Amino acid sequence: LAKTTQPISMDSYEGQEVNITCSHNNIATNDYITWYQQFPSQGPRFIIQGYKTKVTNEVASLFIPADRKSSTLSLPRVSLSDTAVYYCLALTGFQKLVFGTGTRLLVSP
Amino acid sequence: GAVVSQHPSWVICKSGTSVKIECRSLDFQATTMFWYRQFPKQSLMLMATSNEGSKATYEQGVEKDKFLINHASLTLSTLTVTSAHPEDSSFYICSAPSTGITNTEAFFGQGTRLTVV
Repeated sequence: LAKTTQPISMDSYEGQEVNITCSHNNIATNDYITWYQQFPSQGPRFIIQGYKTKVTNEVASLFIPADRKSSTLSLPRVSLSDTAVYYCLALTGFQKLVFGTGTRLLVSP
Repeated sequence: GAVVSQHPSWVICKSGTSVKIECRSLDFQATTMFWYRQFPKQSLMLMATSNEGSKATYEQGVEKDKFLINHASLTLSTLTVTSAHPEDSSFYICSAPSTGITNTEAFFGQGTRLTVV
């Protein structure tokens, strides 16, 4: 399970694009980069997963450079409801999920 | 997507009593489930891996006699906090992993807020 490092907190305003970068220098060949979102007093929710290049879904985009030692979660036009903690993990399927500190995103009006 | 349901959502108990938390996979079978604990403003801490039909695997520092885990069926895992004390007050969350080989998605319950008074 690769160790990940991400900013502890970020601030943004409604309508802006937010990019959260995660470092995973010792990522293994079989590891996928996965992001989760957690609201207060709720369990985490899967956002997006990727292996390389770019992945996009209805919620976010995930950019992964060729060396895969980092990744960036991009949230387009955030709203107040995007205020949450975002966790980055690098792991292989079936592994237990071990969460790091996460990034606490605060979106203001 | 798959749904994991946790019950109860919150519970208040007296010090010294035991509390059972249930985690159910509603529309899929889960041979493995994970139990986490989360204190305010902190990240999720993995407590143990629950295995259907066998003993749970506990993370280092987690007392197996205090946090009893039972995974008697493919859709139900339970966590019992025995002889609870105020320091056990926390947010407990269970999860079940996806069955896809390359899929790292896990499905989480809504969590249980335990308050020991």
